[in-house]
Amino acid sequence: AQSVTQLGSHVSVSEGALVLLRCNYSSSVPPYLFWYVQYPNQGLQLLLKYTSAATLVKGINGFEAEFKKSETSFHLTKPSAHMSDAAEYFCAVSDGRGAQKLVFGQGTRLTINP
Amino acid sequence: NAGVTQTPKFRVLKTGQSMTLLCAQDMNHEYMYWYRQDPGMGLRLIHYSVGEGTTAKGEVPDGYNVSRLKKQNFLLGLESAAPSQTSVYFCASRAGVPREQFFGPGTRLTVL
Repeated sequence: AQSVTQLGSHVSVSEGALVLLRCNYSSSVPPYLFWYVQYPNQGLQLLLKYTSAATLVKGINGFEAEFKKSETSFHLTKPSAHMSDAAEYFCAVSDGRGAQKLVFGQGTRLTINP
Repeated sequence: NAGVTQTPKFRVLKTGQSMTLLCAQDMNHEYMYWYRQDPGMGLRLIHYSVGEGTTAKGEVPDGYNVSRLKKQNFLLGLESAAPSQTSVYFCASRAGVPREQFFGPGTRLTVL
């Protein structure tokens, strides 16, 4: 069975500061990993994905994530936070097989302080 | 392209009432999924479909039924709504490749 743990249900940073959202996964097979963002009252939008190619993945809006197999982690970072980054972020894992069902973490709400 | 659309956006039901949520996608995707989102629990898979005419249970299927009579539509039914089904429901679809799922805007359901 697969699982995802996001450390910290709420993260608050100042505008211009580094954003670091943590995600650790458990998977018995090589995983496919995703970060999604959800703005208030909207659906989920894909930020980036890891599908066994490069371990450092760049996504939209200046976000990137690094797949570290030894640490079973896929942390999301952005060098400089912007007010528009305030949202909820979800990490998800898939086994890449068949229906490729996603298992989501519980989410991290990011607040940006001016 | 409209992408993934969901109908209705909001609904209030009384305990024991029934309703159907409609998900439609215009991307010719084979795979479709229904999730529910509850605070602090992320999204949990209710049912999914790997193609027209097929459905399968996800992580939390009890109290829900689904149908996929047409490739572009995936219906989620609640036969006898319960307060525990108060949630935000999201539909998603996916092509074979690439692997990411595309999400609809959600339906906020309240069961009194």
